[in-house]
Amino acid sequence: GAVVSQHPSRVICKSGTSVKIECRSLDFQATTMFWYRQFPKKSLMLMATSNEGSKATYEQGVEKDKFLINHASLTLSTLTVTSAHPEDSSFYICSVGQPPLAKNIQYFGAGTRLSVL
Amino acid sequence: SQQGEEDPQALSIQEGENATMNCSYKTSINNLQWYRQNSGRGLVHLILIRSNEREKHSGRLRVTLDTSKKSSSLLITASRAADTASYFCATGVMEYGNKLVFGAGTILRVKS
Repeated sequence: GAVVSQHPSRVICKSGTSVKIECRSLDFQATTMFWYRQFPKKSLMLMATSNEGSKATYEQGVEKDKFLINHASLTLSTLTVTSAHPEDSSFYICSVGQPPLAKNIQYFGAGTRLSVL
Repeated sequence: SQQGEEDPQALSIQEGENATMNCSYKTSINNLQWYRQNSGRGLVHLILIRSNEREKHSGRLRVTLDTSKKSSSLLITASRAADTASYFCATGVMEYGNKLVFGAGTILRVKS
């Protein structure tokens, strides 16, 4: 399967600052990446689908201006949490959809734990 | 919205015992997948079963799918302490393209 690197693994920031999380596909070119948010002992909630070279597709209820996604190359997608607040504290995970996408199998990064003070 | 529901929410067994987790979903699917998540980590794909399949095996894993009941089960045989993790089912839904919808998950604890 695909190898996905996510960085940083943990970040602590002050309220009001912005935080960038990187998701890299190390062994193949990914046209599609996914960003999830996970609360403690809960399931994954899809935030957005990141498409290389075009705008991300956000799920209902996810603020586009709050969670900026950039997929400028076939190996890198970034999620920027802008003006972070304590309620944004969560575990963020990215994944890569490896062709053939018809199988929907996704390969995940190790996640980023964001703590906003 | 999350369409998968899993039970039990938590399961605690002794090493060597079998563990069974169930998943139910609401709409038509292309396939159903099971993933594993160790605490504080990303998810790892375990097995995929297509909508026209009824059973699939992979090592100590056995997955069944009943599309008439919209349910699936994951059986882990001869469990090991290293199997301790959260297990999620995920459905590939036709109208959602290549997105997955994840269930609530089962927390499995295998005691040695």
